[in-house]
Amino acid sequence: KQEVTQIPAALSVPEGENLVLNCSFTDSAIYNLQWFRQDPGKGLTSLLLIQSSQREQTSGRLNASLDKSSGRSTLYIAASQPGDSATYLCAVCSGGYNKLIFGAGTRLAVHP
Amino acid sequence: EPEVTQTPSHQVTQMGQEVILRCVPISNHLYFYWYRQILGQKVEFLVSFYNNEISEKSEIFDDQFSVERPDGSNFTLKIRSTKLEDSAMYFCASSEMGMRNEKLFFGSGTQLSVL
Repeated sequence: KQEVTQIPAALSVPEGENLVLNCSFTDSAIYNLQWFRQDPGKGLTSLLLIQSSQREQTSGRLNASLDKSSGRSTLYIAASQPGDSATYLCAVCSGGYNKLIFGAGTRLAVHP
Repeated sequence: EPEVTQTPSHQVTQMGQEVILRCVPISNHLYFYWYRQILGQKVEFLVSFYNNEISEKSEIFDDQFSVERPDGSNFTLKIRSTKLEDSAMYFCASSEMGMRNEKLFFGSGTQLSVL
């Protein structure tokens, strides 16, 4: 059964710092991996999607990497800003290809 | 930018009552989903829907749950007899062609409280 784990559970950093969020999954047979942002009381916003055949994706200050064989992904946020404060969720698409399995998230606080 | 719309944003109901959660997916999307998040827990898949039928469901999605696309724009989740443990944030989502090569768009959720 696919399990997704995210480390750390929470992170507090000063503005401007570069940071890395980690995601691991137990079954490497995935179709894709997605990173989402969740603001309190709000829905999930898709940030990046990495296909199983890809190694990384970039969008602005965000870069996500995927090492499928070792079951790991990282989300790199460059030059963090207070507006980046949110919970970041990692999810893998495996098994039935319509279904995402989510991690518990990393709660990020960026303070001025 | 197109978005998935969910109503109501909050729903309070008594145990045993029926509730219907409503969603309007993005207009040209063909795949629809419901997920839920119990407070403090992970987001969990409930069901996926394509071409007017369920394509996959989780073990959570038992006979108390049903989904429907009653017209060309709405997608609903019905819980027939709510239990206390059904209290959660319910998210509707849609995608254009399915999950394998595209992002999933989520609504802002309906917070369901069962008393």
